[in-house]
Amino acid sequence: DVKVTQSSRYLVKRTGEKVFLECVQDMDHENMFWYRQDPGLGLRLIYFSYDVKMKEKGDIPEGYSVSREKKERFSLILESASTNQTSMYLCASSASGGTYEQYFGPGTRLTVT
Amino acid sequence: GQNIDQPTEMTATEGAIVQINCTYQTSGFNGLFWYQQHAGEAPTFLSYNVLDGLEEKGRFSSFLSRSKGYSYLLLKELQMKDSASYLCAVSKEAGTALIFGKGTTLSVSS
Repeated sequence: DVKVTQSSRYLVKRTGEKVFLECVQDMDHENMFWYRQDPGLGLRLIYFSYDVKMKEKGDIPEGYSVSREKKERFSLILESASTNQTSMYLCASSASGGTYEQYFGPGTRLTVT
Repeated sequence: GQNIDQPTEMTATEGAIVQINCTYQTSGFNGLFWYQQHAGEAPTFLSYNVLDGLEEKGRFSSFLSRSKGYSYLLLKELQMKDSASYLCAVSKEAGTALIFGKGTTLSVSS
């Protein structure tokens, strides 16, 4: 069974703080993704990575950065958290070499006050 | 641009059949996914269509018409546990991220 885990289910941070969200997958997947999910807006792609140290911007990368130093781990970084980054953050992974389903982690609900 | 449309909300009763439609306009197409997401949980994979036609998997079926840019998810013998959001997502190209619709919230009542 594929397992994608995220470091926290709930997180509360203050405006201006640097925030790290961690995601780990155990299926040796090459592709990893970070989305945010907001009511009425659906899932929006922030960044994805198709290999270690490789990254591509998604639809809404502003205010975020990512790090992929190891294949199994993909980190999302909010350099200076703002209230409009309050959201549910979902990490996903998938195999490469074709079109494969994405497996999602349980999500991190981040509140920035 | 990319556009994926699905109804925002639907309601149905236990035992009934419901069809959730999805239309898409994308600059490439390499398959369409349906995911189910219960409130507060992660999306889980339901189906994948890349060729035209109907794919059946138990109580759930998914249909695709590439020429019409159209798909639907058919849920039969509805149960209360089917109350969830259903997400339509398009793969434009193999190995790239999916483009998600905003989701359809289905409420099943007794």
